[in-house]
Amino acid sequence: GAGVSQSPSNKVTEKGKDVELRCDPISGHTALYWYRQSLGQGLEFLIYFQGNSAPDKSGLPSDRFSAERTGGSVSTLTIQRTQQEDSAVYLCASSLGWGVQETQYFGPGTRLLVL
Amino acid sequence: AQTVTQSQPEMSVQEAETVTLSCTYDTSESDYYLFWYKQPPSRQMILVIRQEAYKQQNATENRFSVNFQKAAKSFSLKISDSQLGDAAMYFCAYRSAKHFYGGATNKLIFGTGTLLAVQP
Repeated sequence: GAGVSQSPSNKVTEKGKDVELRCDPISGHTALYWYRQSLGQGLEFLIYFQGNSAPDKSGLPSDRFSAERTGGSVSTLTIQRTQQEDSAVYLCASSLGWGVQETQYFGPGTRLLVL
Repeated sequence: AQTVTQSQPEMSVQEAETVTLSCTYDTSESDYYLFWYKQPPSRQMILVIRQEAYKQQNATENRFSVNFQKAAKSFSLKISDSQLGDAAMYFCAYRSAKHFYGGATNKLIFGTGTLLAVQP
């Protein structure tokens, strides 16, 4: 089946505006992750959804960041009042479950540029 | 907290030659998983190889193999018979083996990556 998809592929916005990034996980995958990849940095964990459990938001860098997952499928990452330091590639990943055997499959990411 | 370190920002290898990418990590846990992911210019992260910490045998996937030294907390990736398509950014990653309901998230902790160039 189709892999993880993300939209938009690229997003340019002005400082102070809000942006929404979308992730469509692989069908049937119950676990969904958001990561951020800043220039010259590795990937940084943001948030994790698993089924109907409360999400792990421990990686969100500030209260300007939020995410939701509707119907256990599509997820939206929202960044309010964007700042230049928010410029990065935002990657979404999904896995079949939460078991330790599960491989995370990544989408192509959304490149966000805040001017 | 766990950390992953990749000390080689860039590496270069001739086509058909062998190259080794280094990775060290720090953890107080005894059970965990280690991964190497490849990220080509398309940005799509692709799993290359996985190692379970409880296994002594080094993982191998075709031309890719690892040298896992648990006591030294080292996890290097060897690419044999390098091909032009191997050119990419390579990330080493760590994941705890703790059960989710034990309070752990299956998040991956990544190093900063090694950019591999393959020369024809």
